[in-house]
Amino acid sequence: DAGVIQSPRHEVTEMGQEVTLRCKPISGHDYLFWYRQTMMRGLELLIYFNNNVPIDDSGMPEDRFSAKMPNASFSTLKIQPSEPRDSAVYFCASSLGWGNTEAFFGQGTRLTVV
Amino acid sequence: GESVGLHLPTLSVQEGDNSIINCAYSNSASDYFIWYKQESGKGPQFIIDIRSNMDKRQGQRVTVLLNKTVKHLSLQIAATQPGDSAVYFCAENGENSGYALNFGKGTSLLVTP
Repeated sequence: DAGVIQSPRHEVTEMGQEVTLRCKPISGHDYLFWYRQTMMRGLELLIYFNNNVPIDDSGMPEDRFSAKMPNASFSTLKIQPSEPRDSAVYFCASSLGWGNTEAFFGQGTRLTVV
Repeated sequence: GESVGLHLPTLSVQEGDNSIINCAYSNSASDYFIWYKQESGKGPQFIIDIRSNMDKRQGQRVTVLLNKTVKHLSLQIAATQPGDSAVYFCAENGENSGYALNFGKGTSLLVTP
């Protein structure tokens, strides 16, 4: 398996534009997580899914953020409209089963909003 | 609120020495404590975990110690190598968080020759 695949690796966009980040989890993993990483706040959990169903989105900072998982092999995180303070590295991770401590992370998407 | 934090943001050790990275936590309801390693430009990678009813667990060159009395977690790396240079995160999860990982801020480990 190629691991968790995220795209794009880098994204530079202007303030006010819509940004869509994409993730393909490891096949067979039941859980998918979206994290945001900044120097100030570290790794923050934004939302996670179990079997394609959003379980906890309490970490999503604002209504400008939304996430979907239309099937077991694809998820998106959308920011609309984007703001400079959204600049961060966004990670997608997947794990197998309830209570599993080993999450497999993608390479991340570095988002810069100017 | 409940959080996982770290004592030191940076640690510099000489190659071959042992490294100790510390972490304080506040969530007494955690089921597991976990260490992750993040190399530059990559996502975090699982190293080792320890269940909350244990106080020590060993892996290959790594040992995790858990002191529930003082809510302290440590990662010991034996014979540190240049490839160990990375940021290390402690994390916790448990049934109360739906087993989503809650990460601390991270410690940067720099191994010098």
